[in-house]
Amino acid sequence: NAGVTQTPKFQVLKTGQSMTLQCAQDMNHNSMYWYRQDPGMGLRLIYYSASEGTTDKGEVPNGYNVSRLNKREFSLRLESAAPSQTSVYFCATTQGLADTQYFGPGTRLTVL
Amino acid sequence: QQQVKQSPQSLIVQKGGISIINCAYENTAFDYFPWYQQFPGKGPALLIAIRPDVSEKKEGRFTISFNKSAKQFSLHIMDSQPGDSATYFCAAINQGGSEKLVFGKGTKLTVNP
Repeated sequence: NAGVTQTPKFQVLKTGQSMTLQCAQDMNHNSMYWYRQDPGMGLRLIYYSASEGTTDKGEVPNGYNVSRLNKREFSLRLESAAPSQTSVYFCATTQGLADTQYFGPGTRLTVL
Repeated sequence: QQQVKQSPQSLIVQKGGISIINCAYENTAFDYFPWYQQFPGKGPALLIAIRPDVSEKKEGRFTISFNKSAKQFSLHIMDSQPGDSATYFCAAINQGGSEKLVFGKGTKLTVNP
């Protein structure tokens, strides 16, 4: 029972490259989220999926796309990475939107 | 628009001291106020939470104080230990609504030995 897993743990990209961050949960939760964490900025919501088959924009969606592949998996794609996207990315899950959030261990992304 | 304002941004406390982190909110529809604790290199995890029908909730050395009229709540860590060194996030949500959890910007706590 791993909870929430994220891959990769670390990634370095060059400006303009693309990549997909993967998130999987074995908690049978309905809702999944992608956040980015930057110093002094706290946790900012990028996209979320309230349930399988739905996705919605959060506070900072520009430059990102998401896919809710199935109930377990929620991926975040950077089509053309920019240095401003250097950050630590966290995936989280909840049973319902108002429930306790369970976070993954994070992906540290550097864009050169 | 920052819905939950958290202060201070960083805090240094000596071992055995009391750590106090404050949060303020504007939306009177918020009815659930959790605190999350994040250790370096890890994801945040729920630490303790309170609802506005009580003014205080205590779990071990961690206490939330809630002032509904002032729209403020705070986390007190008694007898702070070096192992408490982490980033703490306050948050708020209207559990009966359709909005998502709103986080404060976090406080980095360092407890010196």
